[in-house]
Amino acid sequence: EVQLVESGGGWVQPGRSLRLSCAASGFNFDDYAMHWVRQAPGKGLQWVSGITWNSGSIGYADSVKGRFTISRDNAKRSLYLQMNSLRVEDTGLYYCTRSGGSSSLLWWAGPWGLGTLVTVSS
Amino acid sequence: EIVLTQSPATLSLSPGDRATLSCGASQSVRSSSLAWYQQKPGLAPRLLIYDASTRATGIPDRFSGSGSGTDFTLTISRLEPEDFAVYYCHQYGNLPLTFGPGTKVDIK
Repeated sequence: EVQLVESGGGWVQPGRSLRLSCAASGFNFDDYAMHWVRQAPGKGLQWVSGITWNSGSIGYADSVKGRFTISRDNAKRSLYLQMNSLRVEDTGLYYCTRSGGSSSLLWWAGPWGLGTLVTVSS
Repeated sequence: EIVLTQSPATLSLSPGDRATLSCGASQSVRSSSLAWYQQKPGLAPRLLIYDASTRATGIPDRFSGSGSGTDFTLTISRLEPEDFAVYYCHQYGNLPLTFGPGTKVDIK
C-alpha cells in the first residue's frame, strides 16, 4: 500500500523558516517525480513545487520561487521542502503527492499524504 | 499560467441524480493533460480521472471524464451518498501546474 507521511509543520513567525519532510513507502520511490501541493484554510489547492526522480528537473510556483527549495533523498525514500522567509499567506496544509511519472513534472498527482499544517503568524 | 475555471460553484442534487461538472481553461491544455480530484472534509484529495478521460485505479465507472482543448467535463452518472464532496480539475500540461477553484456537490 502506498503511504506518504508528511511532517515538520507547525507555527512560525513571519520571516522564519521551516523544513517539511515526506516519508514514502509502498512503492519504488525513485521511479516517480514528487510534488508539494498546499491548501489554505477553507480554500482550494495550489501547486507549490515538484521534482523529478533524479532531481534533474525542479519547478516552483512563482509565489514561492526564491524562498522555497525542494529536494529528495532516494536512499531515504524522502521528499523535503525547505521554506525560508515565510509569509502569512504561506499558511496552509501542505500535501506531499506522488506524480504519475518519473522524468518530467508534467504528470497528474496521486496518491496524496494526509498533509502537515503550517501556520505563519505573529 | 493556465487559469482554470469551474462551474457551477455549487451543485445541489439528490442521490441517484446525474451530475455534470465543467472545467474551462484560459488556453488549450496540452495533450489533454487534465485530471479530476474528489475531496471530502478533513481528507486529502483523491485522484479520479487523468488524461481527461482515464479512470484512476479503483474508481467506479459511474465517474467519467471528457473534453479536450479548453473545455472539460466530469460526469457522475448516478450520485451515491459518498459522492457528495468538492471536485477539483487540474492541468499538468504546462508549468506552473494549476488547479481550478472547485465545485461543491451537495445534497439537495
